Amino acid sequence: SQQGEEDPQALSIQEGENATMNCSYKTSINNLQWYRQNSGRGLVHLILIRSNEREKHSGRLRVTLDTSKKSSSLLITASRAADTASYFCATDRNTGNQFYFGTGTSLTVIP
Amino acid sequence: SQTIHQWPATLVQPVGSPLSLECTVEGTSNPNLYWYRQAAGRGLQLLFYSVGIGQISSEVPQNLSASRPQDRQFILSSKKLLLSDSGFYLCAWSSTLSPLHFGNGTRLTVT
Repeated sequence: SQQGEEDPQALSIQEGENATMNCSYKTSINNLQWYRQNSGRGLVHLILIRSNEREKHSGRLRVTLDTSKKSSSLLITASRAADTASYFCATDRNTGNQFYFGTGTSLTVIP
Repeated sequence: SQTIHQWPATLVQPVGSPLSLECTVEGTSNPNLYWYRQAAGRGLQLLFYSVGIGQISSEVPQNLSASRPQDRQFILSSKKLLLSDSGFYLCAWSSTLSPLHFGNGTRLTVT
């Protein structure tokens, strides 16, 4: 079953703009992860944030986590056409070895 | 370095036929292994996960089964495919406290 949902379901922006995607989940977690999927391919891990962390950065990516609201956001700054993909959050529901994905946000960056 | 191989890339099978999808991992020992299914335009549904040889946990009752005959081999099977089994099947591995690493997926169409 799905753990949560991302919103928006689809996002279209101009190159150079920032893209923000949100993820909500339902149960307590050890960590939350964000993944990227190019069309028709497997997912690639982007960033992991632990339940005791509030913010994490990796290059142009910034992830925040609010465990009280059971939500996370992924910010991609200075977007590029190559960022066009679907983005998913995944949580472990405190199991440590089972990962449950949200419904994804489809991002289109227009050159 | 670790690699994951999943095959075939695409498969068209008639209703009622059997299915066998194979996934192998190289470069790591005793990985956690996973099978996910992704319906068109949707998120990933966890089907099976395994923490060791012969240890399979099923998330959702369904027409599919999984086996792990060797440490780094994970097989998804069905005795009789249904139309509803169509989808994009993804194998993944992880180790303790690591994110998921995905294969390139198998696009299954049941006709």
